[in-house]
Amino acid sequence: EAAVTQSPRNKVAVTGGKVTLSCNQTNNHNNMYWYRQDTGHGLRLIHYSYGAGSTEKGDIPDGYKASRPSQENFSLILELATPSQTSVYFCASGHGLGAETLYFGSGTRLTVL
Amino acid sequence: GDKVKQSPSALSLQEGTNSALRCNFSIAATTVQWFLQNPRGSLMNLFYLVPGTKENGRLKSAFDSKESYSTLHIRDAQLEDSGTYFCAAEPSLLSGSFNKLTFGAGTRLAVCP
Repeated sequence: EAAVTQSPRNKVAVTGGKVTLSCNQTNNHNNMYWYRQDTGHGLRLIHYSYGAGSTEKGDIPDGYKASRPSQENFSLILELATPSQTSVYFCASGHGLGAETLYFGSGTRLTVL
Repeated sequence: GDKVKQSPSALSLQEGTNSALRCNFSIAATTVQWFLQNPRGSLMNLFYLVPGTKENGRLKSAFDSKESYSTLHIRDAQLEDSGTYFCAAEPSLLSGSFNKLTFGAGTRLAVCP
């Protein structure tokens, strides 16, 4: 079973502050993803990566940056957090070799006041 | 979102009964995945489908790409089946190895004793 670990589990931030959400996977997967989950929307893709050093925009990238410094780590960065970014954020990984099953972390609940 | 519509939005089942969840796609889905989010918030992959059917224990899923829908059948529902079920469609093989999934808003299932 793939292990995807997110930190922190919960975060309260102030408007205008910088927030970094971290994700680590231990299965040497090529692909990693950041989603946010909001009521009535399911999960929406923010950024993704196909390997160390790469980041790509997903469907809702505005207000977010991503960083993939290594195969194992993928961070989501909110440079200037806004209350509209209050949400639950999920990181996922997949091997990227076709017929890809996604493995999700446990989520980070972010509240921006 | 609107590209993937799940029904019903919520469902209550008596333990031991059967039911079916449905996803309709307004996009040309090439593969479909089903996930269960348990009451603690963890997401687990249930099925990865190309057109056809798969079965795993009391769960069976079908994907008809021509008619643009997928179903998830639950047989002999148990208390631990409670949670939110999401379907997600991959819109095009042209997206390469990226699993750029579009998620539905989910079906909240409560199994009662």
